Amino acid sequence: GAVVSQHPSWVICKSGTSVKIECRSLDFQATTMFWYRQFPKQSLMLMATSNEGSKATYEQGVEKDKFLINHASLTLSTLTVTSAHPEDSSFYICSALVQAALNEQFFGPGTRLTVL
Amino acid sequence: AQSVTQLGSHVSVSEGALVLLRCNYSSSVPPYLFWYVQYPNQGLQLLLKYTSAATLVKGINGFEAEFKKSETSFHLTKPSAHMSDAAEYFCAVSETGANNLFFGTGTRLTVIP
Repeated sequence: GAVVSQHPSWVICKSGTSVKIECRSLDFQATTMFWYRQFPKQSLMLMATSNEGSKATYEQGVEKDKFLINHASLTLSTLTVTSAHPEDSSFYICSALVQAALNEQFFGPGTRLTVL
Repeated sequence: AQSVTQLGSHVSVSEGALVLLRCNYSSSVPPYLFWYVQYPNQGLQLLLKYTSAATLVKGINGFEAEFKKSETSFHLTKPSAHMSDAAEYFCAVSETGANNLFFGTGTRLTVIP
């Protein structure tokens, strides 16, 4: 099946710094990727939909200036958490839409962000 | 509007016993329904999905789920639990296919030896 990777798998940063998380589709091209946020013992919340070559579509309540998404190629989407604060600490998961698989989403392994 | 309710944030079963994880949904149109499994510090893996074909859907690892429109339910079952089934399970609904998934809060399954 389709494989989606994320890098890094975990990151610890100081408050006020920016962190970039990469999401790659390894064996297929993905025109659409999604970014989710998962708090401990809670469900996944969709943050934004990332479309290759165009601006991301953000869900209501998600600050687009804080969570910058870039989908510059068909195999890579990045999420940059700018000026991170402790409340941004969370598990971030990306997924890629595979049209050949009847539009199934394939999920990456997630990135755990801890902001000190 | 679409939503998902998973009853029971934590379910414990003995190895070999029946697994039943509950999911009820709300949707204004015929829904697409999904069950995902998440192992610690990993992403989600699709177990099975309902896309308006057969109401009884068989998935991987021996799991299956039945779509019951009258009860707005899509409960996940497995006849005999295995230790490797211990994980977090998420039910999800979409009104447009896999594009816009709304997830339930998850159920953590513990399997007791």
